[in-house]
Amino acid sequence: DAGVIQSPRHEVTEMGQEVTLRCKPISGHDYLFWYRQTMMRGLELLIYFNNNVPIDDSGMPEDRFSAKMPNASFSTLKIQPSEPRDSAVYFCASKAGGLRSETQYFGPGTRLLVL
Amino acid sequence: GESVGLHLPTLSVQEGDNSIINCAYSNSASDYFIWYKQESGKGPQFIIDIRSNMDKRQGQRVTVLLNKTVKHLSLQIAATQPGDSAVYFCAENKNTDKLIFGTGTRLQVFP
Repeated sequence: DAGVIQSPRHEVTEMGQEVTLRCKPISGHDYLFWYRQTMMRGLELLIYFNNNVPIDDSGMPEDRFSAKMPNASFSTLKIQPSEPRDSAVYFCASKAGGLRSETQYFGPGTRLLVL
Repeated sequence: GESVGLHLPTLSVQEGDNSIINCAYSNSASDYFIWYKQESGKGPQFIIDIRSNMDKRQGQRVTVLLNKTVKHLSLQIAATQPGDSAVYFCAENKNTDKLIFGTGTRLQVFP
């Protein structure tokens, strides 16, 4: 199994530009999570999906952030317009559905730097 | 005052020694706990998990202990190796889809 795949691995952009992060979950997993990790705040859950439907987006910082999951094998996290304070590592994770399936498997992350 | 960033506790151990990483969890109703290892530049990697109906679980070189009375979780690593150097996170779950992560502990292994 390839595991969770994220792209790009690194992104450097200028303030005001649109940034799109991509994630392919593990095949067969029903849940997909987007996290942000910074030195200041640690690992924060932004949003998660179940069967492609957003369930909880209470962690999304503001309207500049949006996430979609058009199908079971693909999700995007978009920041528009980006700001320097968005600089962080963004992780995607997935897990199987059903009872007693709490283990989330993380991708390698996208390191975002907004100048 | 304004936070200047998370202070990660650091555990320094000599190669070959046993390591014990501790975690205090917040919710007495949590029923599932998990340990992740995060190496520099990588995503968190699952190590071991335990349910609240157990107080001990063993894996390969790792043991997780759960003390529900004091809401304490620990990860023991036997014969610590340089490759064990990483940040270790505990996480808890209370019958939801979300995990609540701790701030992490940095493990440094020196020869």
